[in-house]
Amino acid sequence: AQKITQTQPGMFVQEKEAVTLDCTYDTSDQSYGLFWYKQPSSGEMIFLIYQGSYDEQNATEGRYSLNFQKARKSANLVISASQLGDSAMYFCAMREATSGTYKYIFGTGTRLKVLA
Amino acid sequence: GAGVSQSPSNKVTEKGKDVELRCDPISGHTALYWYRQSLGQGLEFLIYFQGNSAPDKSGLPSDRFSAERTGGSVSTLTIQRTQQEDSAVYLCASRIKGRVAGANVLTFGAGSRLTVL
Repeated sequence: AQKITQTQPGMFVQEKEAVTLDCTYDTSDQSYGLFWYKQPSSGEMIFLIYQGSYDEQNATEGRYSLNFQKARKSANLVISASQLGDSAMYFCAMREATSGTYKYIFGTGTRLKVLA
Repeated sequence: GAGVSQSPSNKVTEKGKDVELRCDPISGHTALYWYRQSLGQGLEFLIYFQGNSAPDKSGLPSDRFSAERTGGSVSTLTIQRTQQEDSAVYLCASRIKGRVAGANVLTFGAGSRLTVL
């Protein structure tokens, strides 16, 4: 069965520093997708970045990059040059694409606090 | 519409009452998902609709929960005989299907916050 693990319930980072949020996953499928979402205190879920299992390059979107290590089944999110507005809950998610299941499962989240 | 629309945004009900939560997905998005997020927790999958296929109901926590999607667009999540443990934010998401840009990405609504007294 699919599983997403985020082991850091909370993280602090100084403004303008980089931070890595950890995510490991478990799947028996060869084709899958990995996602990161941001949830500010307002509650909306904001898509940040996507990595396909066959993508050889790590995904990047502005200050966000996904450190994809397939053999280790990890998909860590790296936020560079942290800003106060980055303070939020961050969720890692996975979608399997070949098992006929199109559910997206989410980790328990990491609460990031950016310090001025 | 431009985004996923959910209503009501807030619902307070008494234990034992039935509630209906509505989701209007982005126009053209054929896949629709319901999730539940309890306070301070992650997202719990409830149900998934894809086009005219039978929905994946494997996440519904009990037979008090049901959902339908009419005309391949609007969906309603119904909770019968609500219990206090049903209190949560119910999130709806949709995505487009096919080999197009963004096809994998779930777009979420703002959620419906349910409080059962």
